[in-house]
Amino acid sequence: GNSVTQMEGPVTLSEEAFLTINCTYTATGYPSLFWYVQYPGEGLQLLLKATKADDKGSNKGFEATYRKETTSFHLEKGSVQVSDSAVYFCALSSHTGRRALTFGSGTRLQVQP
Amino acid sequence: SAVISQKPSRDICQRGTSLTIQCQVDSQVTMMFWYRQQPGQSLTLIATANQGSEATYESGFVIDKFPISRPNLTFSTLTVSNMSPEDSSIYLCSVDRGMEETQYFGPGTRLLVL
Repeated sequence: GNSVTQMEGPVTLSEEAFLTINCTYTATGYPSLFWYVQYPGEGLQLLLKATKADDKGSNKGFEATYRKETTSFHLEKGSVQVSDSAVYFCALSSHTGRRALTFGSGTRLQVQP
Repeated sequence: SAVISQKPSRDICQRGTSLTIQCQVDSQVTMMFWYRQQPGQSLTLIATANQGSEATYESGFVIDKFPISRPNLTFSTLTVSNMSPEDSSIYLCSVDRGMEETQYFGPGTRLLVL
């Protein structure tokens, strides 16, 4: 079956530091890959996505590249802000069938001023 | 994207009672899903809400405990039946309109069972 593995948190960074949150996956075929973000007390928001190999998703300064050869979709940002403090979830879905999402365990990011 | 609302946004319930959560979308969607997020945990799919037929449940979730309705393409309900403290979670609905291959989530319903 499908599965997603994320690096354990919490991740604590100083403002303007470089961020990487690792995500690897196991899936049948070539799934679509997503990063969702959950700010404190809020619901889940789509941050970025990639639907095929070598695609790069980007939004709000965050980037992630779909790497088929390493089955990875690592999230990066060059300079984090305090407002980026949140929980980040990596997820995948199949292109066919029900397309339900399989989520990783989530990584809490805390950015200090 | 899609505008999704859920009611109630939060509730505190007594064990043994039931709560029905509503999910309303601003446009017709092909797929609707219900997820559970237990405290400090990731999201787990409960079921796919199928319009005009019975929901499709994931392993570990049963219709008697989590009955789901989907009377049309913009609305669904999830009932949490005979609640216990272990049901305390955030319940989220999500939609997939098909062409975007992307799921959008409602704001969630925070449930506390005493």
